[in-house]
Amino acid sequence: EAQVTQNPRYLITVTGKKLTVTCSQNMNHEYMSWYRQDPGLGLRQIYYSMNVEVTDKGDVPEGYKVSRKEKRNFPLILESPSPNQTSLYFCASSLWAHEQYFGPGTRLTVT
Amino acid sequence: AQSVAQPEDQVNVAEGNPLTVKCTYSVSGNPYLFWYVQYPNRGLQFLLKYITGDNLVKGSYGFEAEFNKSQTSFHLKKPSALVSDSALYFCAVRSDSSYKLIFGSGTRLLVRP
Repeated sequence: EAQVTQNPRYLITVTGKKLTVTCSQNMNHEYMSWYRQDPGLGLRQIYYSMNVEVTDKGDVPEGYKVSRKEKRNFPLILESPSPNQTSLYFCASSLWAHEQYFGPGTRLTVT
Repeated sequence: AQSVAQPEDQVNVAEGNPLTVKCTYSVSGNPYLFWYVQYPNRGLQFLLKYITGDNLVKGSYGFEAEFNKSQTSFHLKKPSALVSDSALYFCAVRSDSSYKLIFGSGTRLLVRP
């Protein structure tokens, strides 16, 4: 089954404790992206990647890191999480940044 | 700079009536436009896209959208709404010269029986 998977689905952590949210796709897509969804703000792009070792900033990259060492994986790293990073996070993939397939989401709470 | 505006936080329609969810955009270069839907407790799903060609684009679940270059709009439409269409709808745009994607703030569609 073609899908985008994210782990964990739910995470509660404390300020400053490094965390990684994994994202993996099995569709051989070149394009992968991370978004955060906040009430009233819609979806905002954090980082995107057009291919292995090629990443670029979206609209809200501050406080986040990504890497694309393999085509199928695109982890999101929060080196020092803060409460304003409490949000619902989505990973997505697509061919050539056209229609995207989204993962199920990761709800992160930083206390 | 790229931007997307969805001027209505919520749209209410009766089942069987036509629906329109509005979207206007601003982008440098040629726009690539998308609509996505988010059902309660489910992920986001692609509905339709405009890349080039016919201004009227047909998508999933009977939805369509009309690209209007002069008005920089890409409104989502459906001739006859269903209660099951109730969801959160997002418009998104990117330029043909950039891979950065901008989403609107979303419009909640409520279809009453």
